Amino acid sequence: DQQVKQNSPSLSVQEGRISILNCDYTNSMFDYFLWYKKYPAEGPTFLISISSIKDKNEDGRFTVFLNKSAKHLSLHIVPSQPGDSAVYFCAASEQGGSEKLVFGKGTKLTVNP
Amino acid sequence: ETGVTQSPTHLIKTRGQQVTLRCSSQSGHNTVSWYQQALGQGPQFIFQYYREEENGRGNFPPRFSGLQFPNYSSELNVNALELDDSALYLCASSLDRGLSPLHFGNGTRLTVT
Repeated sequence: DQQVKQNSPSLSVQEGRISILNCDYTNSMFDYFLWYKKYPAEGPTFLISISSIKDKNEDGRFTVFLNKSAKHLSLHIVPSQPGDSAVYFCAASEQGGSEKLVFGKGTKLTVNP
Repeated sequence: ETGVTQSPTHLIKTRGQQVTLRCSSQSGHNTVSWYQQALGQGPQFIFQYYREEENGRGNFPPRFSGLQFPNYSSELNVNALELDDSALYLCASSLDRGLSPLHFGNGTRLTVT
């Protein structure tokens, strides 16, 4: 039973355009959501997070949107850069922080020059 | 600031053997979490240690056990290895049980033959 789903295994975009990565969840007890980026042979790196009391959080080129009624969140990267090419994981927690994270399977983003 | 370091980077074991993986937390962090990432999957929570005590456990059997030491470094022990234990094992440190985002190490790749 997958509680966090990333239905697109891969995404390819052109440099300078917007990248939109999607994530759906089924557990209504999740109250904190995070995005991590992972390069090959490295551990995941924290990117951005959002609490369930918000519907948007922005940090530079990265914005996360949360739609609680649809149990859906998305990560927008604008503009996309070749260095953004990585696997992006969506994660969720019931604890209000980074405890006991439940991860999706990831989406591999490729940004073409 | 020293990041999270894990050792060894790669390991090959035979089914039925026991293995110990090690992790040094990021400086100042008192919480360590361990995750298993099977091929093509997202990381899955194994357990968390806070100030040397287990503080939550995922859906893993008792043959997965851990320790956290006074300097906040940690070990993951797996007994009676099975083929399905082959995975990337990720250690992550944080402050105060997840009030801060997890900082991951680069992982230990375990292969069980």
